[in-house]
Amino acid sequence: GAGVSQTPSNKVTEKGKYVELRCDPISGHTALYWYRQSLGQGPEFLIYFQGTGAADDSGLPNDRFFAVRPEGSVSTLKIQRTERGDSAVYLCASSLFGGENTEAFFGQGTRLTVV
Amino acid sequence: QKEVEQNSGPLSVPEGAIASLNCTYSDRGSQSFFWYRQYSGKSPELIMFIYSNGDKEDGRFTAQLNKASQYVSLLIRDSQPSDSATYLCAVNGNTDKLIFGTGTRLQVFP
Repeated sequence: GAGVSQTPSNKVTEKGKYVELRCDPISGHTALYWYRQSLGQGPEFLIYFQGTGAADDSGLPNDRFFAVRPEGSVSTLKIQRTERGDSAVYLCASSLFGGENTEAFFGQGTRLTVV
Repeated sequence: QKEVEQNSGPLSVPEGAIASLNCTYSDRGSQSFFWYRQYSGKSPELIMFIYSNGDKEDGRFTAQLNKASQYVSLLIRDSQPSDSATYLCAVNGNTDKLIFGTGTRLQVFP
């Protein structure tokens, strides 16, 4: 596609429920990043994929968070047993190769609200 | 110490002035540096990147990098009210992940 696409744009869920957030990167981009952004803060790194594999998942806050990218394109961020503190905008970005000297482009984000 | 530090602002400048936004980073091995603009309620938009020491100009924007001082800045010339936004500095180090600062809010008043 022309840009990074994230769905849904908004998600309201009850505490304790499971949610999935989807990211469709720019066609041909091998690197994909997930970030979380709270109000007044910069994007907080969660996980980085190079192809199908998670090259760096050091930002995932705990084992309730998991992400996959089975075919090296679309990625899904999965959150189990959601908590109110998980409420944030979840941003996905992709870049052509990842690593140094490659620019990353963001999707419009998914605003997650846990009530 | 945060990996990427920015003054949260707000930085207020009059229309037509030069806005200077600054960023410091802690990982001396960092190689790539990016500036993103984020309007309220929107996602970050890449506006500049710089990989080598010195200045890089693109229209009204100039990015400046000093690796010895671990410092990167963004200058916006002839600032316009439409430049009012939060500017995020991002650094890509040896680990290949982009680390962001908290952003500087810029306000350009007519």
